[in-house]
Amino acid sequence: NAGVMQNPRHLVRRRGQEARLRCSPMKGHSHVYWYRQLPEEGLKFMVYLQKENIIDESGMPKERFSAEFPKEGPSILRIQQVVRGDSAAYFCASSPSSTNYGYTFGSGTRLTVV
Amino acid sequence: GQQVMQIPQYQHVQEGEDFTTYCNSSTTLSNIQWYKQRPGGHPVFLIQLVKSGEVKKQKRLTFQFGEAKKNSSLHITATQTTDVGTYFCAAMNSGGSNYKLTFGKGTLLTVNP
Repeated sequence: NAGVMQNPRHLVRRRGQEARLRCSPMKGHSHVYWYRQLPEEGLKFMVYLQKENIIDESGMPKERFSAEFPKEGPSILRIQQVVRGDSAAYFCASSPSSTNYGYTFGSGTRLTVV
Repeated sequence: GQQVMQIPQYQHVQEGEDFTTYCNSSTTLSNIQWYKQRPGGHPVFLIQLVKSGEVKKQKRLTFQFGEAKKNSSLHITATQTTDVGTYFCAAMNSGGSNYKLTFGKGTLLTVNP
């Protein structure tokens, strides 16, 4: 059981470039969540997806950020035209159901914008 | 939106001392979960509490859910250096968007050997 796989582990982007973060949920998990964590901060909800559907994107900035979870392949969190303030750890989590289950988190992608 | 307050923000103890972190919400919660994140690591699920007044134990860890389902605590007895990390509570709201976990800011525990 490979767990939640995120890649890359570390990503460095120059201001204005695009960042693509990938997440493959645990086998059997159809619910995917993305969270952002700043140093010494808690985890902030960004978006909740099921296969081919965005269920709740209320925590995601309206501009430059998008997420998808296609029928085949991993979930992608895409940040266009990155700025320094986007530097953070981005964690993906999955669960087999939307309620009453703990989340399994991936190892995260540490994004640094220079 | 849903807010979860967690205290203290930091706690430094000598190995062998006890440790407690508290989590409070202004609204009734469907359930509450606890996670541990080691420095440089990712959050790891510890436990979920669902019932009013529920108490669960995992070895030296004791988790409680308040009678009103608005607060929770995690108590570690006789801390060890392996307990170092940040402990987060995460609340799932009752009603509405009851799939969304809202995390507290966490309590960073450091243990002096």
